[in-house]
Amino acid sequence: DAGVTQSPTHLIKTRGQHVTLRCSPISGHKSVSWYQQVLGQGPQFIFQYYEKEERGRGNFPDRFSARQFPNYSSELNVNALLLGDSALYLCASSFTGSDEQYFGPGTRLTVT
Amino acid sequence: GIQVEQSPPDLILQEGANSTLRCNFSDSVNNLQWFHQNPWGQLINLFYIPSGTKQNGRLSATTVATERYSLLYISSSQTTDSGVYFCAVGAYSGAGSYQLTFGKGTKLSVIP
Repeated sequence: DAGVTQSPTHLIKTRGQHVTLRCSPISGHKSVSWYQQVLGQGPQFIFQYYEKEERGRGNFPDRFSARQFPNYSSELNVNALLLGDSALYLCASSFTGSDEQYFGPGTRLTVT
Repeated sequence: GIQVEQSPPDLILQEGANSTLRCNFSDSVNNLQWFHQNPWGQLINLFYIPSGTKQNGRLSATTVATERYSLLYISSSQTTDSGVYFCAVGAYSGAGSYQLTFGKGTKLSVIP
């Protein structure tokens, strides 16, 4: 069974640029959540989507946005990148959004 | 928001030893998950355990929701058990969204 997939694996961007990260959930899962993990910390909640609707947003600036497509895959967009956006970005999928979450391998973003 | 505290922050074990990791949380939660993060950043699901006790091989977990804590037991540790162990609690926020809140993790090193 295919798990949660994310692309790209690694990404290097320059301050001020824009980035798009992609996530495909486990087949049959309708909810996708995004998390940011900086070095030495636990992941922090950014967004949750269920059936293409935004269900919740964490304490992140408006530079962060996301969407979910009809096939339940999702994109996370970050505009005007800052050095502090350097982190591992994790995508999680689940059936309903409030049941067991399964994480993808992450995208490691470095902003220089 | 909910606070999640994990202890100890660091743990060094001799191969074959047993250990107990603790997770305390500050409020009522709907769910609780334990993860193992490997050196490449992948979060691997260990237990989905809102309450009660579960066992999977050398690992077991107990959650006492009324007292707001969970314990992860690792018996006969192996070098492959090394990594960071995260506890994450799931709950609905005031805005109605569901999210996982992670602790800072316990970094386990098992030496031969």
